[in-house]
Order: sequence, then structure tokens, then C-alpha cells
Amino acid sequence: NAGVTQTPKFQVLKTGQSMTLQCAQDMNHNSMYWYRQDPGMGLRLIYYSASEGTTDKGEVPNGYNVSRLNKREFSLRLESAAPSQTSVYFCASSEGRLGYTFGSGTRLTVV
Amino acid sequence: AQSVTQPDIHITVSEGASLELRCNYSYGATPYLFWYVQSPGQGLQLLLKYFSGDTLVQGIKGFEAEFKRSQSSFNLRKPSVHWSDAAEYFCATNSGGYQKVTFGTGTKLQVIP
Repeated sequence: NAGVTQTPKFQVLKTGQSMTLQCAQDMNHNSMYWYRQDPGMGLRLIYYSASEGTTDKGEVPNGYNVSRLNKREFSLRLESAAPSQTSVYFCASSEGRLGYTFGSGTRLTVV
Repeated sequence: AQSVTQPDIHITVSEGASLELRCNYSYGATPYLFWYVQSPGQGLQLLLKYFSGDTLVQGIKGFEAEFKRSQSSFNLRKPSVHWSDAAEYFCATNSGGYQKVTFGTGTKLQVIP
């Protein structure tokens, strides 16, 4: 009963380095999302994928790219990390408007 | 644009006391509304949701919420709080389509003995 799996759980990057956050869901959901969570700001949508083969920008897409590899997997890439991207990143999936299932998060620190 | 407001950043209650967390939404049509809970170091878990029909909805862990259109509110309640309820609670809405979920800034609940 895995639900949504995110890797890695923790990561420290130096400014300018790149990395990819991985997300996979096993619930056969069509829609997947990437959010970032910062203190006092709730969750902000970075990118989403309404269905396999489509991706769209959310509220805060700058500095990020995404790939919907297949129905199960949705990855988030930071091409050149900046300290402002220090955050906790959550992947989620949903079917229709029934509510999200979230992963346990990736805590990223950029120094 | 749709939005939700959680006016309380932090709330402290005694174990066994009742709890009400406030959420106000702004959207013209009937909104889809959710409450999520986040325990420390964890992802968010869906507590309950409202789409239509009965305005009092029951969720997991003994929580309930009431939709009040006249007050544009969707407050979360629990009759008797347990220490394990200490967490951060987020109200959310996706009235504009499932890709447009908007979260409130959260209310952190502290439970004291």
C-alpha cells in the first residue's frame, strides 16, 4: 500500500548544482502535482500534470522543469539550484477532484 | 480567483477540550473544500471533503466540518482533542478545476496536558 513515493527524502545541494526529485504513484491516478512548502506560506503549486503526456505551470514554476515519464512517474528537475529553492517539496496525485494523496516529502537545502 | 484564509496561525488547546479551526473561502460558486492534516516530518493526509449535499461532513480521526455558505466558512471541529492531534491543519479548495487547488497557510495545533 505505497501510495505516493518520493525520493530522496533529504538532499543538500550547492548553489548551481542540478538534481531531479523523483515521484511515483501506484493508484492509477491520472493527475500528478509538485508543490513546495515554506513556513507561513502554505503549499504552492510548482507544476502539475493533468494526464500522461501533459504538463502545465503552476503558481511558482521559475527555476524548475518537470517530466511526466508515464502514468506512474512525475519528476521535478532543478537545473541550477539557488538558495531560494530551499524548501520541502511534495508530490501528490489525484483522480478527478476527490482530493490529493501526498508523498512524504523531500527536504532540500541549497547552500 | 479562489482562495482560502485560515486566520489562526497557532492554536493551543488542552487535551480533552473541544476544537474549532477556522477557514474562510472566497469563490462565487459552490466550492469543493478540503481539510488536510500534516504531522511533523510527514506529508499531508486528507481528513475530509465537501462537494455538495449535507453541509456537515464527517472525516477520519473523529473530525467534522460544517459548510456555511452565508459565512463563506468551512470550519473544522472535534469534540475532544487527543495529544496525537497535535499537527498542522490546512484548508484547501479546488473550485477552479482539479489542477487549481489552493491551500491556506495552515494552523498549527498544540495540545497541552
